[in-house]
Amino acid sequence: EDQVTQSPEALRLQEGESSSLNCSYTVSGLRGLFWYRQDPGKGPEFLFTLYSAGEEKEKERLKATLTKKESFLHITAPKPEDSATYLCAVHDGIQGAQKLVFGQGTRLTINP
Amino acid sequence: DTGVSQNPRHKITKRGQNVTFRCDPISEHNRLYWYRQTLGQGPEFLTYFQNEAQLEKSRLLSDRFSAERPKGSFSTLEIQRTEQGDSAMYLCASSPGTSGGELFFGEGSRLTVL
Repeated sequence: EDQVTQSPEALRLQEGESSSLNCSYTVSGLRGLFWYRQDPGKGPEFLFTLYSAGEEKEKERLKATLTKKESFLHITAPKPEDSATYLCAVHDGIQGAQKLVFGQGTRLTINP
Repeated sequence: DTGVSQNPRHKITKRGQNVTFRCDPISEHNRLYWYRQTLGQGPEFLTYFQNEAQLEKSRLLSDRFSAERPKGSFSTLEIQRTEQGDSAMYLCASSPGTSGGELFFGEGSRLTVL
């Protein structure tokens, strides 16, 4: 069964303190790994797509990387506005399926 | 605003009542998805439409749940005989045919079943 596990569940950092969030996945035939950001009371907002091991994507203070079993979301010198829940997801392993399987998320808090 | 629109944003109902949520996707998007999210969890897939055809449906979706997209534009999600376990945020998303996993989510409809 396809699984996505994120760690830690919650992370509290000081402004400027860099760290990484982890997303481990088990899927037969990866067709993409996706990172989303979700603010309280809002729907998720798309950040990145990664397709193959070794691929990296960057956006402002965020960088996503991918290996054959996990993805990392690195956050460099974060600011309080980076506080949110970060979700990762993969496509269901069934060929052609559009279903995304999400992890439970990492709740990130950046203190000023 | 040209994003995904969901109504109502909040719904409180008594157990056993029926509820219906509406989703208006981004106009040029032919794909539409419904997800459910409970507190502290990631979104859980419910169903997927391409145009007016419902192509995927979670086996977790009981027969109390039904979704339609009659003209390939807006969609409705109906829950019959609501139970307390149905309390959740119901998220709608849309995407163009070439987007892969880049979904555009609405702000959700929060359901509370008393």
